[in-house]
Amino acid sequence: DIQMTQSPSSLSASVGDRVTITCRASQSISNYLNWYQQKPGQAPQVLIYMSSTLQSGVPSRFSGSGSGTDFTLTISSLQPEDFATYYCQQSLSTTWTFGQGTKVEV
Amino acid sequence: QVQLQESGPGLVKPSETLSLTCTVSGDSVSIGGYHWSWIRQPAGKRLEWIGRVYNSGSTNYNPSLKSRVTISLDTSNHQFSLKLSSVTAADTAVYYCARVLLVPSGYNWLDSWGQGTLVTVSS
Repeated sequence: DIQMTQSPSSLSASVGDRVTITCRASQSISNYLNWYQQKPGQAPQVLIYMSSTLQSGVPSRFSGSGSGTDFTLTISSLQPEDFATYYCQQSLSTTWTFGQGTKVEV
Repeated sequence: QVQLQESGPGLVKPSETLSLTCTVSGDSVSIGGYHWSWIRQPAGKRLEWIGRVYNSGSTNYNPSLKSRVTISLDTSNHQFSLKLSSVTAADTAVYYCARVLLVPSGYNWLDSWGQGTLVTVSS
């Protein structure tokens, strides 16, 4: 299986901060990389697919980049509703795998 | 707008079979361009992909669960289902059903999710 590793596992930030989360794949996945946001008690929701394409309706303060094995999710100016856990997920292989998550908290 | 809803027992005894159904509204499970997946999340842990069923009925499973998993499609009732046999406490998790959007270039992602259902394995 392709292993996905996120860093950090958690971070503390304030409203207005720029936040960057990284995701590393154990082998090259081209840009078959998706990002999801999960709030407590809710299902995840896709934010970005194909590494850098913003899902319809997702605010433009979210952006993604990367290719191969290294990827980043950036929130340009953190808003109160952005405090959540973020997961990366690879869709190159038949067996999908997720990162361990990054919890963004105050 | 598509909606997905999981249903099934919230408590399953060890060694028995966990059975869940996902009812899809606002879309057809046989429509092209999509397939259907199950994902689970033990408390405080990462998401784990369980498997998928295509609109043709063919399936792929996570190798770590493959010997115990069956996912099937019921097009007439707009549902797909999950069966996981010989469960243990390690299978306790929130189980999600989700729709996977496929694009011609081969990319795909989970674009709609059910709310999730907690299944506890305990005697």
